[in-house]
Amino acid sequence: GQQVMQIPQYQHVQEGEDFTTYCNSSTTLSNIQWYKQRPGGHPVFLIQLVKSGEVKKQKRLTFQFGEAKKNSSLHITATQTTDVGTYFCAGAGAGSYQLTFGKGTKLSVIP
Amino acid sequence: DAGVIQSPRHEVTEMGQEVTLRCKPISGHDYLFWYRQTMMRGLELLIYFNNNVPIDDSGMPEDRFSAKMPNASFSTLKIQPSEPRDSAVYFCASTPSELLLVNYGYTFGSGTRLTVV
Repeated sequence: GQQVMQIPQYQHVQEGEDFTTYCNSSTTLSNIQWYKQRPGGHPVFLIQLVKSGEVKKQKRLTFQFGEAKKNSSLHITATQTTDVGTYFCAGAGAGSYQLTFGKGTKLSVIP
Repeated sequence: DAGVIQSPRHEVTEMGQEVTLRCKPISGHDYLFWYRQTMMRGLELLIYFNNNVPIDDSGMPEDRFSAKMPNASFSTLKIQPSEPRDSAVYFCASTPSELLLVNYGYTFGSGTRLTVV
């Protein structure tokens, strides 16, 4: 079955440093989504990427979808304490509504 | 909209007891998903429904787990009998069928934290 791998598992950064998490799928994806889960909370949708090579930005967050539609990344510029949480990627196959989630990257920001 | 509503928020039960988790999806969302989250295994899809019909239940761990969606506004996940290894956070999520056409993801409920002792 489809597997989605995400690295690193944990990342500790000083406030103001950049952060990147990477996602790789064992199969070609139709789309990839990113979610953020705050400690004790639930996953919250951030963005969806559907096109090969697509790049989207949300303020300090930059999302990329690979040319082969098998990998993706999330980059945060100049992290803030409000960025703390676990970031998940989730991929779906062609025509599918079923998302397979990566294990997530837990981000800690040291003030 | 109140979002996806799950109840109870917390459940502590003894091994062997029946547990029922409840979910009310967002009105108009025709897909409903049940996920389980643990530290070891992350977010696992248990089952999902489309227009109240179960589409894929291959993630349901064993016969002790069952899920129903009697109408568009209500779904249950039942564990009978419960075991300590079922302890986890159970999330319900919903999404409309326009998911693939617009920038719209799953909307998750706040989850039910289940502890089986």
